[in-house]
Amino acid sequence: SAVISQKPSRDICQRGTSLTIQCQVDSQVTMMFWYRQQPGQSLTLIATANQGSEATYESGFVIDKFPISRPNLTFSTLTVSNLSPEDSSIYLCSAGGGGGTEAFFGQGTRLTVV
Amino acid sequence: ILNVEQSPQSLHVQEGDSTNFTCSFPSSNFYALHWYRWETAKSPEALFVMTLNGDEKKKGRISATLNTKEGYSYLYIKGSQPEDSATYLCALAMNTGFQKLVFGTGTRLLVSP
Repeated sequence: SAVISQKPSRDICQRGTSLTIQCQVDSQVTMMFWYRQQPGQSLTLIATANQGSEATYESGFVIDKFPISRPNLTFSTLTVSNLSPEDSSIYLCSAGGGGGTEAFFGQGTRLTVV
Repeated sequence: ILNVEQSPQSLHVQEGDSTNFTCSFPSSNFYALHWYRWETAKSPEALFVMTLNGDEKKKGRISATLNTKEGYSYLYIKGSQPEDSATYLCALAMNTGFQKLVFGTGTRLLVSP
């Protein structure tokens, strides 16, 4: 199992600014995942972060808008850039979930853009 | 794009009622089906991971079944309690290299005392 600490838990940001979300895992994990849940929508995968290589982005998500860092096997950050009200969502980081095992999640970051 | 559907969207029951939710999917081309419970301001918590058609799993008052041939999974809660109030998510772990999870929109359960 793994415990993931995610911060901030919530933030209110101005349009045009950026927010960086951090996730710290209490054990080494190969891959970390970043999700977004817009109001009324399902959790949607933004990208997969593998240590030592560039993140792999899902269709509809680009690195310029959602840059990700993965400096080591226990830490990752997601930045949401040039914020607009449409970015108001819950953002979740995750690890695990492959090979028939459960995934572990951070506590989520609730972002409101005003 | 695989569409995972959950029903109902929300449910309000009284303490002691038993309830069930459905997760449906159009294809059996996935590695595993996951169920998670997500309480407000907390991390989603894994309930079950099932991989085989006909799988049945149980944890206390909560149980789940998987039917890959007909494309659905059921989650049952027996004798609901107020602490069961949460959003219940199902997700498919895809047959990709890293088995990414594709989530349904969730069922929001409210159990009143």
